[in-house]
Formats: sequence, C-alpha cells, structure tokens
Amino acid sequence: SYVLTQPPSVAVAPGQTARITCRADNLGDTNVHWYQQKPGQAPLMILYYDSDRPSGIPDRFSGSNSGNTATLTIIRAEAGDEADYYCQVYHNRGEEWVFGGGTKLTVL
Amino acid sequence: QITLKESGPMLVKPTQTLTLTCTISGFSLTTNGVGVGWIRQPPGKALEWLALIYWDGDERYSSSLKTRLTITKDSSGNQVVLTLTDMDPVDTGTYYCAHSPLNPRAFDVWGQGTVVTVSP
Repeated sequence: SYVLTQPPSVAVAPGQTARITCRADNLGDTNVHWYQQKPGQAPLMILYYDSDRPSGIPDRFSGSNSGNTATLTIIRAEAGDEADYYCQVYHNRGEEWVFGGGTKLTVL
Repeated sequence: QITLKESGPMLVKPTQTLTLTCTISGFSLTTNGVGVGWIRQPPGKALEWLALIYWDGDERYSSSLKTRLTITKDSSGNQVVLTLTDMDPVDTGTYYCAHSPLNPRAFDVWGQGTVVTVSP
C-alpha cells in the first residue's frame, strides 16, 4: 500500500515560518491535499492541488510539491495555528485515498 | 451551504456490525461529480480513509478493510450508510463522513464526527 510519511512533530516560534513535509516515492507526480485538525474538531481542508487555498484560508498557508516531497509552509505562525496537519493523496494505482500519519505543530 | 452529519450507535459489542448514517444537506448525491466518503480516527491516531461512494453508485473501499465494509446511498441522494462488520476494540474511534468532489479527489467539507466505542 502507498505510504505518506510526515514528521510526528514540528515546533515553531510565534511569527516564524513552519514547514511540514510529506514524503513518498514520486509524490510530485500526484496532487497533494492538506488538512488542519484542532483538538476535538473535525479536519479542515486548507490546501488542495498542492497549493490552492479554499475560500477563507489565510494566505499565510502555502504549499509545494516536487520530486518525493510535498511541503506545507505556514508563515508568521500564530498560536491559533497549533494543530495536527495531515497530507492526503488519491493513489491512482490502488484507487484509494491515503492520509499521512499527521504532524503536530507546536507554536512555542 | 454544504453540511454533513453522522449518526449511529456510540457503543457496539465485539463481533457486532456497525451501521452509520451520513445525512447530507446543501448538495445531492444525484449530482454529477459528487461523492461522499467515510474516514475514521482512533483516539490519538491518524486519519484513515474507509470508503467512498459517487453519484453514479461507484463504490471504493480501503483494501485493508474491504471484506468488512459496505457503503450505500439512498435513492434520494440525501443519506449515505456505512456498515462495518465483525467489530473489534481496535475499531474504536471517531468516524467522519465528508463531501468529496471528483476533482480534486479530496475531502472539502467534513461532518462533526461520531464517536464509536467497541467494548463487551
């Protein structure tokens, strides 16, 4: 089965830039979507097609995807950005939707 | 406004079958390009996709759970039902349904989730 690998945790100081990676073989050949999940809440899609933002998502959130790595970048990190972040792809070969293991972002 | 709401039992016993209903509003599963998926999350763990059904009745299942899962939709396109057989304590978690367009193949609106505990 297709596996997306994320670091378990990332820490960032307020106002600084956080980068959360998602890795898999040839990941750049597919579209990656990102979700934010705060404690006790349902996930919220924050990026789709690697870097597009749904309505209402601040432009502090951006994404890229190339080679074997997709990256979610959060600039000017705020306390309210503390959450778990998940990447997700549709794996064509297996016809399955796959989530990464999630990354807990801590804003110190 | 698209909304989804999950409903079902909070507690099931091992070996029983879990039946969950997702009631949708703001869209219809009779509309081209529309899908509804189910995703679950064990306590403190990652999201896991389970199943998805499209407007045309096309069903997709997680390969690891395929033998235990069934997803259906009602003829009105307003409800999606997920059944998971032979429940085990490891199936404990929060179960979400979510709106999933054909493009992108993502989950752009989620329900609030329903907590299911498997215990004797």
